[in-house]
Amino acid sequence: AQTVTQSQPEMSVQEAETVTLSCTYDTSESNYYLFWYKQPPSRQMILVIRQEAYKQQNATENRFSVNFQKAAKSFSLKISDSQLGDTAMYFCAFMKNNNDMRFGAGTRLTVKP
Amino acid sequence: DTEVTQTPKHLVMGMTNKKSLKCEQHMGHRAMYWYKQKAKKPPELMFVYSYEKLSINESVPSRFSPECPNSSLLNLHLHALQPEDSALYLCASSQDRTGTYEQYFGPGTRLTVT
Repeated sequence: AQTVTQSQPEMSVQEAETVTLSCTYDTSESNYYLFWYKQPPSRQMILVIRQEAYKQQNATENRFSVNFQKAAKSFSLKISDSQLGDTAMYFCAFMKNNNDMRFGAGTRLTVKP
Repeated sequence: DTEVTQTPKHLVMGMTNKKSLKCEQHMGHRAMYWYKQKAKKPPELMFVYSYEKLSINESVPSRFSPECPNSSLLNLHLHALQPEDSALYLCASSQDRTGTYEQYFGPGTRLTVT
């Protein structure tokens, strides 16, 4: 069974600063997909960034980037120039080819003005 | 249109009631999902439909009954629920078998069982 671990239950960052959220996973699969989802308070879950395991290049989406270390089974999310609207619960997720997606416990990020 | 809609937004039901949750997407996605999310916890996968066929059932109690009438619609029929079933129920969809597999989530139905 696949497990996803987020070791930071809560984090905070000053506006305009950079923060990194950690995620590790355990799998025996060679091909899989990794995601970071954001769930603002009382709002919809939205996709932040995705990474295919077969791609060596780290994914980036504007201020969001990942550090994907396949051998170490690590998938961290870096948020640059943090904004107040980044305040949310962030979930790391792992998915095999069969649409079975598993989430980590989440990291609650607070961006302070 | 990258939207997944869910109705109702809120639902309060007694333990003897029968109700249904509805989910709709018009993105041409062929996989649809039901998740259960308790407060301050991650979503837990309940069911997956792929091409309108149930492909994953995570040992969910039979008081939850999913239905996929067509590729755009997904229902979750509820009967004889328990108070511990109170949660946010999320629907999601994805392309399945092609594309990049990311799931798009609806806003959820907040269910309270009294």
